[in-house]
Amino acid sequence: NAGVTQTPKFRVLKTGQSMTLLCAQDMNHEYMYWYRQDPGMGLRLIHYSVGEGTTAKGEVPDGYNVSRLKKQNFLLGLESAAPSQTSVYFCATLSGTQYFGPGTRLLVL
Amino acid sequence: GIQVEQSPPDLILQEGANSTLRCNFSDSVNNLQWFHQNPWGQLINLFYIPSGTKQNGRLSATTVATERYSLLYISSSQTTDSGVYFCAVDLISSGSARQLTFGSGTQLTVLP
Repeated sequence: NAGVTQTPKFRVLKTGQSMTLLCAQDMNHEYMYWYRQDPGMGLRLIHYSVGEGTTAKGEVPDGYNVSRLKKQNFLLGLESAAPSQTSVYFCATLSGTQYFGPGTRLLVL
Repeated sequence: GIQVEQSPPDLILQEGANSTLRCNFSDSVNNLQWFHQNPWGQLINLFYIPSGTKQNGRLSATTVATERYSLLYISSSQTTDSGVYFCAVDLISSGSARQLTFGSGTQLTVLP
């Protein structure tokens, strides 16, 4: 089992560009999450989903959108990237314990 | 929202030493988890421990839910223990989805 995978691993964007981060899981978990981690800080929740077709806002949702069309996939979109969105993004699932993907490093110039 | 505070923020140890990391939280919680983020950024769950004590090799954790704190013990530390240790909690709240709130972490450096 691959667990939780994320693509891409690293991306550089220019201000105003858009992109989608893909999270995939093969553990059949209902709950999925997107976090961002900034230097010296813990993880902050962007959006989450409690099941296929559902999404909800977390602590820092502005500038991001998400979709959960299939149970195994959770997409995070940046419509118009800003330098403040430079961060490491982690996807995670939850079933009792939380399982994290390897992260996506995003640099917005 | 719930506040999660970890101490100390930074800890430097000599290999073989023992350490205790603390996590305080401001409200009653459904569960508490400890994670290790290695120097390559990977996050690994260490313990799922809403209350009581658990041990896994050189690591153990104790949560005293009534007093709103948890402790992570690392014995005979090794250089591979280096990284950031996070605790995360989610609230007891009927009808709401489970959301973890993370502390800001303890940066542990184990010197050879």
